[in-house]
Amino acid sequence: GQNIDQPTEMTATEGAIVQINCTYQTSGFNGLFWYQQHAGEAPTFLSYNVLDGLEEKGRFSSFLSRSKGYSYLLLKELQMKDSASYLCAVTDSNYQLIWGAGTKLIIKP
Amino acid sequence: GAVVSQHPSRVICKSGTSVKIECRSLDFQATTMFWYRQFPKQSLMLMATSNEGSKATYEQGVEKDKFLINHASLTLSTLTVTSAHPEDSSFYICSAKGGPSGGLETQYFGPGTRLLVL
Repeated sequence: GQNIDQPTEMTATEGAIVQINCTYQTSGFNGLFWYQQHAGEAPTFLSYNVLDGLEEKGRFSSFLSRSKGYSYLLLKELQMKDSASYLCAVTDSNYQLIWGAGTKLIIKP
Repeated sequence: GAVVSQHPSRVICKSGTSVKIECRSLDFQATTMFWYRQFPKQSLMLMATSNEGSKATYEQGVEKDKFLINHASLTLSTLTVTSAHPEDSSFYICSAKGGPSGGLETQYFGPGTRLLVL
């Protein structure tokens, strides 16, 4: 079966750094996405990785290792507004998007 | 770029009525549009995938006669919840694929429609 695992919940301190991990087992791979979803709102696109390595975009970075079936989202200089759920999703060989359940990130002052 | 709008943002209706939700890609042509449903504190659940000019593909367990999807153009898809019941109350979110960044596979989401059936 197809599976995406990410922690259910994480807590971090304002100003700190947090890394949210995602592991996947899918039938084929055509890219990995990270989305941010604030409570009561729709997801917003954060990043897309299709090749191994680190993609940096401001305070957010996303890393991919295809051989390990592993990705992480790194958030630096955390702000209170970063409190949200972070969704990992993988496109399989049929270009179907498989969603993880999301990681709820709680930022404390 | 890659803006998706959804209308209405919130709707309250009586049980037994039908509700239409519109999803538009404003600045790109969407090759594919998706409809999701999300109950409070739960994950996104894909309901159906629609391509312009063809019938939608529904996920297992989603009644196609109850959730009518029309994808009339490359920028517009509609979801009609027919004969709505209180258990249909949920957050309905559309997404569109084909935007300018993140590759052609990136889905861009509309802001969602909160449906409450009394």
